[in-house]
Amino acid sequence: DAMVIQNPRYQVTQFGKPVTLSCSQTLNHNVMYWYQQKSSQAPKLLFHYYDKDFNNEADTPDNFQSRRPNTSFCFLDIRSPGLGDAAMYLCATTRESTDTQYFGPGTRLTVL
Amino acid sequence: AQKVTQAQTEISVVEKEDVTLDCVYETRDTTYYLFWYKQPPSGELVFLIRRNSFDEQNEISGRYSWNFQKSTSSFNFTITASQVVDSAVYFCALSEGWDGANSKLTFGKGITLSVRP
Repeated sequence: DAMVIQNPRYQVTQFGKPVTLSCSQTLNHNVMYWYQQKSSQAPKLLFHYYDKDFNNEADTPDNFQSRRPNTSFCFLDIRSPGLGDAAMYLCATTRESTDTQYFGPGTRLTVL
Repeated sequence: AQKVTQAQTEISVVEKEDVTLDCVYETRDTTYYLFWYKQPPSGELVFLIRRNSFDEQNEISGRYSWNFQKSTSSFNFTITASQVVDSAVYFCALSEGWDGANSKLTFGKGITLSVRP
């Protein structure tokens, strides 16, 4: 059974049109992460939630926002996608920050 | 600051060959955790192994084995008798253990392994 679920798997949006990516987990983990991964690069952490506490990386653009309405769900909102935001977006969860992070299958975002 | 170096960028082998993927890390912490993840073409990052800094025992899991050496700050990964299904990008990663709420994974740049039939 899938433990970290991301929807949709593929998302196409238009330049400047807001888009929301979804992540859910059945593991009851405390921590949820959002990563951006561009082609041939390592995943880059955007932000994470430890329970309800939001932690933004210093270099994450303001265009990227996140919400975690409950333990199971976390959303990534891109307010005005640019061509440079086309990437794979990976969600991960872990019980505690030093434990293993388990990743979802990712959402591949295309910006036209 | 922590750092992970995967000096190899691309490796190509023929099926059934053994292959070793190198990983060198830097950290000032005495408590830290090392990981290997596999990323097949589908894109999902698949967890392979987690090692803490106090456990230097090598580990074997089927065709996979890991060699952790603190003296050289290395955590190398060997695939024995490689198969086409092993073709993927492999990431080594490090997290420090001092900040429970905000420890983060630092990834290496990844190694693209191609196994040819």
